[in-house]
Amino acid sequence: LAKTTQPISMDSYEGQEVNITCSHNNIATNDYITWYQQFPSQGPRFIIQGYKTKVTNEVASLFIPADRKSSTLSLPRVSLSDTAVYYCLVGDGSNSGYALNFGKGTSLLVTP
Amino acid sequence: GAVVSQHPSRVICKSGTSVKIECRSLDFQATTMFWYRQFPKQSLMLMATSNEGSKATYEQGVEKDKFLINHASLTLSTLTVTSAHPEDSSFYICSVGHGRGDNYEQYFGPGTRLTVT
Repeated sequence: LAKTTQPISMDSYEGQEVNITCSHNNIATNDYITWYQQFPSQGPRFIIQGYKTKVTNEVASLFIPADRKSSTLSLPRVSLSDTAVYYCLVGDGSNSGYALNFGKGTSLLVTP
Repeated sequence: GAVVSQHPSRVICKSGTSVKIECRSLDFQATTMFWYRQFPKQSLMLMATSNEGSKATYEQGVEKDKFLINHASLTLSTLTVTSAHPEDSSFYICSVGHGRGDNYEQYFGPGTRLTVT
């Protein structure tokens, strides 16, 4: 499983855009990049997933450069409720039985 | 609505007793489920992969005789912490994977808080 590295913590004010970058230098050809969000005492929740270029959904965007050795999760106009831990994971998406290897995650604190 | 449920949500038990945690896949049939453990202010750690109708696959360092996993149906996996000790106190989370490739997503349960006194 490819190892990921992301900042331990980030701070932001409400209404700002937050970008969290994750390094995954050893990403394999079959690996997809997935981001999860976790609130205290809850299970992680899927945010977004991509393989290359850019992916956007109703809550976030994911930017992946051509070499796929890093990715950036972009959260537009964060609110206080976006305070959580964000995990970047890479894994083989070729089958539905692969486990996820969680790194340390990025603890995001949003303040007024 | 919830895709994966866990029961109980929290449990307190005495040292030396056993505790069973249930994980149910509500929307999908799951031949594979995953069990994670999370200590305070730490990341999730994969404990084992639960396989329907066969033995679970445990990660290195996880005692299979202490953490018994049974995956008897396509919607239910159970984790039994046997002879629990205070150091087993943790947040236990299960998950179910569904789909392939860019449609793959892993759905997590709400977690079970175990406190061993």
